[in-house]
Amino acid sequence: EIVLTQSPGTLSLSPGERATLPCRASQSVSSSYLAWYQQKPGQAPRLLIYGASRRATGIPDRFSGSGSGTDFTLTISRLEPEDFAVYYCQHYGSSPLTFGGGTKVEIK
Amino acid sequence: EVQLVESGGALVQPGRSLRLSCAASGFTFDDYGMHWVRQAPGKGLEWVSGLSWNSGSIGYADSVKGRFTISRDNAKNSLYLQMISLRAEDTALYYCAKTYSATLYDAFDVWGQGTMVTVSS
Repeated sequence: EIVLTQSPGTLSLSPGERATLPCRASQSVSSSYLAWYQQKPGQAPRLLIYGASRRATGIPDRFSGSGSGTDFTLTISRLEPEDFAVYYCQHYGSSPLTFGGGTKVEIK
Repeated sequence: EVQLVESGGALVQPGRSLRLSCAASGFTFDDYGMHWVRQAPGKGLEWVSGLSWNSGSIGYADSVKGRFTISRDNAKNSLYLQMISLRAEDTALYYCAKTYSATLYDAFDVWGQGTMVTVSS
């Protein structure tokens, strides 16, 4: 099983700042089968990034994904008020699929 | 509009069974893999199970293997999760999710709003 570690658990930032969210895998994630999701309170998760770096339909270009192998990053170039939420990485290249524990981006 | 609507969640006693359903609309259901993901109150996301478009490929989390069974009925545009021997730690909001492709090994681009399962005596 591939374990995904997201640290820190919480990031305190101000609107307009850059957010860098890391995700580390316990073993290499094949073919960059790595996704990022955003979840706001009371809502279902929303796909942001798949294939490590491809933006899903309708996702603003301030969101970007990078990385390969065991180290991946979600970057939000300039935080908008609606971006304060919890973010999860996920590996989907083999069973069992797994999610990271999440990083909460909160307003400083 | 692409939509997934879960149902079947309830309060059940430990050891009992429950069947969840997910009704799909707005897309060609049998072109895509489907999954169940759960979220315990105040906790993160946990993948439960998934299957490919034709049920030829199926996977389960270790925590539910042998107790949960995923299935689909492409003629009814529906996904199911049969759960037996329920435990307190199965208490969660259960989401149905669609993948980008026919395989189960793809990102989840559409999610339902979830159905709540509470296991308690």
